[in-house]
Amino acid sequence: DAKTTQPPSMDCAEGRAANLPCNHSTISGNEYVYWYRQIHSQGPQYIIHGLKNNETNEMASLIITEDRKSSTLILPHATLRDTAVYYCTAYNTNAGKSTFGDGTTLTVKP
Amino acid sequence: DVKVTQSSRYLVKRTGEKVFLECVQDMDHENMFWYRQDPGLGLRLIYFSYDVKMKEKGDIPEGYSVSREKKERFSLILESASTNQTSMYLCASSLHLPGLDSNQPQHFGDGTRLSIL
Repeated sequence: DAKTTQPPSMDCAEGRAANLPCNHSTISGNEYVYWYRQIHSQGPQYIIHGLKNNETNEMASLIITEDRKSSTLILPHATLRDTAVYYCTAYNTNAGKSTFGDGTTLTVKP
Repeated sequence: DVKVTQSSRYLVKRTGEKVFLECVQDMDHENMFWYRQDPGLGLRLIYFSYDVKMKEKGDIPEGYSVSREKKERFSLILESASTNQTSMYLCASSLHLPGLDSNQPQHFGDGTRLSIL
């Protein structure tokens, strides 16, 4: 199972784009990149996922490098409510389970 | 919306007790998971199940067992609780069986904070 590595913390100004990096250099061909976020006292919440193409939904965009060794989650206009711990995970489709890293604590400041 | 419900938000037990953590999901999901979350260690998978009466070990199964007698319910059991099992426990579920679909977001409960004294 691939290991994911993220910076422990990041700050972002309200209204600016937040770019959260993740390294998954050992990811295999049947592993998808998933992102979740966890707001204090709640369980993690799904944000977005992808295999090798860039993806966008109403919450965020996901950019995966061509070699699939890293990815970036983009919150285009961060708000104070985006302050949370963000987890990048590798989901193994054959095994049906995800490997979670330690996450990045994003603090959005006014 | 999928709802994953964990029976307790906070639980205090004593060393040596047998502890049951219960989790129920209401969307007919095939897969269910138990994680523990500790500061600096992220989420670590304890056990998961992709069918009734089936279970698979995760990364840290020692000291735990699980039970899935019905599709919607997945129980985590601490056979003889120890202080190093004090943690936040998170239950999750996902829709499809492994290998069938890559669109497999996990839906999490809000966790049980378990203290073993």
